[in-house]
Amino acid sequence: AQSVTQLDSQVPVFEEAPVELRCNYSSSVSVYLFWYVQYPNQGLQLLLKYLSGSTLVKGINGFEAEFNKSQTSFHLRKPSVHISDTAEYFCAVSESNFGNEKLTFGTGTRLTIIP
Amino acid sequence: NAGVTQTPKFRILKIGQSMTLQCTQDMNHNYMYWYRQDPGMGLKLIYYSVGAGITDKGEVPNGYNVSRSTTEDFPLRLELAAPSQTSVYFCASSLSSVSGNTIYFGEGSWLTVV
Repeated sequence: AQSVTQLDSQVPVFEEAPVELRCNYSSSVSVYLFWYVQYPNQGLQLLLKYLSGSTLVKGINGFEAEFNKSQTSFHLRKPSVHISDTAEYFCAVSESNFGNEKLTFGTGTRLTIIP
Repeated sequence: NAGVTQTPKFRILKIGQSMTLQCTQDMNHNYMYWYRQDPGMGLKLIYYSVGAGITDKGEVPNGYNVSRSTTEDFPLRLELAAPSQTSVYFCASSLSSVSGNTIYFGEGSWLTVV
């Protein structure tokens, strides 16, 4: 069974500074990887996903993530954050031979942007 | 574009009461899901449905029931509310269950059991 670890529960960052949110996964088979964002009092929305192909994935709002199979990581990055990026970010993994019902979420990283 | 709509948004229940969280989607998605989100935890799947009339248990189904009489609706019922069911509940849907298919979430229902 797969698992996912988000190493930081909270990350404070100054506005316009770069940010990296870390995600590591564990699985014995090929996986699909996702980052979801949850703005305050809202549901989750997909930020980006890696299914196959290029290991650098670009998402909405200027975010990108890189799939590193040898490091079993899928870290999320943004070169310059904005106040509106304040949210909780969830990494998720599913094994490619299973359906969405097997999607496993990490515990989340709360990103706080400091003006 | 309504997407996935959940009601109510907030509810306080007394121990032992029952209630139904309503969920409807207008995207003609076959697959629907109920998750719960506890503080500091990731989302846990309660139940899911692959189409009208078909439901199956997720990771944490105890204390809940679901039904799927139409493609659009997927209500979640709590029969005997317990404090352990205090949580935020999210309904979601996807066109298919193929891993990698985007899941669309509702805005959540905050439930407190006292």
